[in-house]
Amino acid sequence: EDKVVQSPLSLVVHEGDTVTLNCSYEVTNFRSLLWYKQEKKAPTFLFMLTSSGIEKKSGRLSSILDKKELFSILNITATQTGDSAVYLCAVHAGGGADGLTFGKGTHLIIQP
Amino acid sequence: ETGVTQSPTHLIKTRGQQVTLRCSSQSGHNTVSWYQQALGQGPQFIFQYYREEENGRGNFPPRFSGLQFPNYSSELNVNALELDDSALYLCASSLWTSGTGELFFGEGSRLTVL
Repeated sequence: EDKVVQSPLSLVVHEGDTVTLNCSYEVTNFRSLLWYKQEKKAPTFLFMLTSSGIEKKSGRLSSILDKKELFSILNITATQTGDSAVYLCAVHAGGGADGLTFGKGTHLIIQP
Repeated sequence: ETGVTQSPTHLIKTRGQQVTLRCSSQSGHNTVSWYQQALGQGPQFIFQYYREEENGRGNFPPRFSGLQFPNYSSELNVNALELDDSALYLCASSLWTSGTGELFFGEGSRLTVL
């Protein structure tokens, strides 16, 4: 059974801090790893990673994948209160018709 | 905003009843999938529809069923509701040929079963 584990499950930091969120996975026939941000209801897409060692970057957010050690990290620098959300890691594995397997998410709270 | 719309946004049902949730895909997308997200959990894959056929299913019983229409909109039907069916139901659309797994989610329908 495919498995995605995120850590920590919750994290409280102060504005301006840098945070690192972790995602490890055990799946059959890996295709891609995706990060989503969920503020209220709809998860919104952040990154998709398919190759090891290539950093994806968008503003203060960045992510990298290690396919040998089966994990990914999501970094957020100079955090702002608007970064408060649940960050979901998901893996697309198996055939094209297989859905994403999500972790439980990391609930990030940024205090002013 | 993704362009994926879901209805209703909230609903309350009692055990044993049936419910139908609706989803309109983002323009240009031909694949729709449904996910169940219980409180404090990540979304769980229910099933996926492409060309009006179910072509992928997660670990959900047959009382969870769906439809996809020629305009790529979709319905999720749940029969014989149980208390544990209380959750946020998310619809996501995508383009089959992208092969990347990237999904565009709607705002969800929050179902409460009493």
